Amino acid sequence: DSGVTQTPKHLITATGQRVTLRCSPRSGDLSVYWYQQSLDQGLQFLIQYYNGEERAKGNILERFSAQQFPDLHSELNLSSLELGDSALYFCASTLAGVEETQYFGPGTRLLVL
Amino acid sequence: GESVGLHLPTLSVQEGDNSIINCAYSNSASDYFIWYKQESGKGPQFIIDIRSNMDKRQGQRVTVLLNKTVKHLSLQIAATQPGDSAVYFCAENRGEGGSYIPTFGRGTSLIVHP
Repeated sequence: DSGVTQTPKHLITATGQRVTLRCSPRSGDLSVYWYQQSLDQGLQFLIQYYNGEERAKGNILERFSAQQFPDLHSELNLSSLELGDSALYFCASTLAGVEETQYFGPGTRLLVL
Repeated sequence: GESVGLHLPTLSVQEGDNSIINCAYSNSASDYFIWYKQESGKGPQFIIDIRSNMDKRQGQRVTVLLNKTVKHLSLQIAATQPGDSAVYFCAENRGEGGSYIPTFGRGTSLIVHP
């Protein structure tokens, strides 16, 4: 158990819908990262937050957004969902920056029908 | 090695053998590298990291070698055990605007036969 929690574990929805994925970092960690893992693209970095502020951006679509709240939990919002958004979404946390060990959550498996 | 499309390269070894998993990275500006292990149904797990000012780093049963000249990274697992069966990813990190941006390899599936 990494100490990072993600909910829900599974999510099935339809094209055009909007979903919110939630991540709680390890106690004391200030930085949260979101990743998408799909069969054809592998593991892709989406976005990083540090202490409530966006710090780095990767291959995140404009239909996707994220935020980190004062209690340090983070949410990833996916809107206007397409079939190709079906993937595993992981969050990871570190104390500060990516140079420390990243602790990954168990992931949310999203299926868009 | 790295995968193309849906199929990951696979390395099959016997329990007790040493395993070597390779990774080619793309950006010569990358200066921090990490190996992850991902078991089925779980998130990636940090194994070992190395900075670009080093060419070798050892952990418990694992060694990472970095060759910056050819942009190649390898992970050596000594005395491989069935519990080592998983997908292994390398990640290269480059500094950008005060943070690091990771880029992951596709992964190699390691199968350890008892």
